[in-house]
Amino acid sequence: DIVVTQSPDSLAVSLGERATINCKSSQTVFFSSNNKNYLAWYQQKPGQPPNLLISWASTREPGVPDRFSGSGSGTDFTLTISSLQAEDVAIYYCQEYFDTPGTFGQGTKVEIK
Amino acid sequence: QVRLVESGGGVVQPGTSLRLSCEASGFTFSTYGMNWVRQAPGKGLEGVASIWYDGSTQYYTYSVKDRFTISRDNSKNILYLQINSLRAEDTAVYYCARDQMLWSGGGGMDVWGQGTTVTVSS
Repeated sequence: DIVVTQSPDSLAVSLGERATINCKSSQTVFFSSNNKNYLAWYQQKPGQPPNLLISWASTREPGVPDRFSGSGSGTDFTLTISSLQAEDVAIYYCQEYFDTPGTFGQGTKVEIK
Repeated sequence: QVRLVESGGGVVQPGTSLRLSCEASGFTFSTYGMNWVRQAPGKGLEGVASIWYDGSTQYYTYSVKDRFTISRDNSKNILYLQINSLRAEDTAVYYCARDQMLWSGGGGMDVWGQGTTVTVSS
């Protein structure tokens, strides 16, 4: 099974500053036949289900603000919030869907400094 | 609008069984793969079971493989999760979630229900 590890477990960032979350999978999630990375990012706020932010490692979902971006390939990925807003306080999860069911990272809690 | 509504959770004793349901609306249910994801209190997300759009193939995470059964009724737009021999560690909010991609699945899970809570306690 693929193991997915996020870092850090939590971070505090000032409003307007950049937040960076890393995600590492134990095996590649790049599928060469379609040139895609099978990696998603979710945001979860307290008392709510997760919300899909980014799929295929870097494709922002409709309605997701462009301050959210995803990058990386193979086994190493990054979610960047370019200018943190108060409404971005949440836990962020990456998930590989190369396997089924996919494996989630342990989550990264983002707070305001 | 596109919607998933879970039901069937509750407080149950260890060793008993439970069937969770997820009613879908607002989209063509029979063309999407579906998933159950759980979240224990204060913990992260765990994908526990997935099923193809036509119900022909199921997948389970290793820890639940012999106790959980995912199924679907495409004529009723309902996804199910049968949980047998419940354990304390099954205590969690159980979410159903839709694969983003039609037919083939993948692309992450783009539609989620609000979840149903299962508490296993004597």
